Amino acid sequence: NAGVTQTPKFQVLKTGQSMTLQCAQDMNHNSMYWYRQDPGMGLRLIYYSASEGTTDKGEVPNGYNVSRLNKREFSLRLESAAPSQTSVYFCASYGDTQYFGPGTRLTVL
Amino acid sequence: AQSVSQHNHHVILSEAASLELGCNYSYGGTVNLFWYVQYPGQHLQLLLKYFSGDPLVKGIKGFEAEFIKSKFSFNLRKPSVQWSDTAEYFCASFLGTDKLIFGTGTRLQVFP
Repeated sequence: NAGVTQTPKFQVLKTGQSMTLQCAQDMNHNSMYWYRQDPGMGLRLIYYSASEGTTDKGEVPNGYNVSRLNKREFSLRLESAAPSQTSVYFCASYGDTQYFGPGTRLTVL
Repeated sequence: AQSVSQHNHHVILSEAASLELGCNYSYGGTVNLFWYVQYPGQHLQLLLKYFSGDPLVKGIKGFEAEFIKSKFSFNLRKPSVQWSDTAEYFCASFLGTDKLIFGTGTRLQVFP
């Protein structure tokens, strides 16, 4: 039982490049979330998926897209990375409580 | 707008001091409330949660929190902190939605 896993752990991009952050959970949870964490701003919700096949915008969705591939997997895509997207990204799933992945530290130059 | 507020942004304590971190929420309905801790370089871990029942909730590592509905508060407490409690603490709630909303966090530094 790995919980919530994320890949990659670290990534450096140049402005304009694209990438996909992968997230998977093995707890059979319906709800999954993507957050970004920036100093002094706490965790801000980017997108979430209340169930397989549905996605909804959170507080800061601009510049991101998501795909709920199946019940286990929820990916976050940056189509054209910008320096403002430099952050630590956390994926989470929710059952009786919310479980977080280890995070992806993304730097956009 | 529905929100979760943490007014203590940075708290500095000596070991053995008592701790209380404030958390307030703005929502008039039934709430589920959580406190998470993030140790340096790690992801968030659940300290405790309140769904219903006894408003005094005990969590891991000696932490507790009290839900006071009339004050829309869910403050985190620990009678005697340790250096290993140095971390960032986040309050969160669903606020009647299916989105878990976080406060901005409180950074706690404990000095020996």
